[in-house]
Amino acid sequence: KAGVTQTPRYLIKTRGQQVTLSCSPISGHRSVSWYQQTPGQGLQFLFEYFSETQRNKGNFPGRFSGRQFSNSRSEMNVSTLELGDSALYLCASSLAVGGTNIQYFGAGTRLSVL
Amino acid sequence: AQRVTQPEKLLSVFKGAPVELKCNYSYSGSPELFWYVQYSRQRLQLLLRHISRESIKGFTADLNKGETSFHLKKPFAQEEDSAMYYCALRPYSGNTPLVFGKGTRLSVIA
Repeated sequence: KAGVTQTPRYLIKTRGQQVTLSCSPISGHRSVSWYQQTPGQGLQFLFEYFSETQRNKGNFPGRFSGRQFSNSRSEMNVSTLELGDSALYLCASSLAVGGTNIQYFGAGTRLSVL
Repeated sequence: AQRVTQPEKLLSVFKGAPVELKCNYSYSGSPELFWYVQYSRQRLQLLLRHISRESIKGFTADLNKGETSFHLKKPFAQEEDSAMYYCALRPYSGNTPLVFGKGTRLSVIA
């Protein structure tokens, strides 16, 4: 099976712009989670989508939003970018059906805000 | 709120020496615990989980509920073990997100 695919791999934006990141989960996986990874804070949970519904949400401002499509692909959007949004954004997919959910991570999108 | 603490940002050991990466957690219930690893230029991947009680690449981890710890151990470190290691917790309360520690970078010196 193909792994979790994130596009684009790199992005450079300026303050005030908005950005959309995309994630295609492993075939058959219905849950997609997003994380922000920075050297200082490590991995911080943004949100999780399951069957097109947001199931969990982390402690991030409303500028961070996401959605999931019927084919389980997910997008996250960050509006009014700030310098502090520069980070590696990771997407993870899982079956999320009972028992232990093992998350499989994508390679990430590295966002640089200038 | 749940919290995962990895007290060491960087751990350097010599090849062949034992390794112990520390992980402490705070959670009042029964958690599910994981170790994830990220090798250089590779994606984050699951190393092991406590319910499996397995040894992966020579690594083991035992959940100590009394000390609320889930330390990762390997008796003889190899150079290829050099990587970033993250401890993560999920409460056993349904489909809740993983809470990660800030990670420990393991450097194995030849």
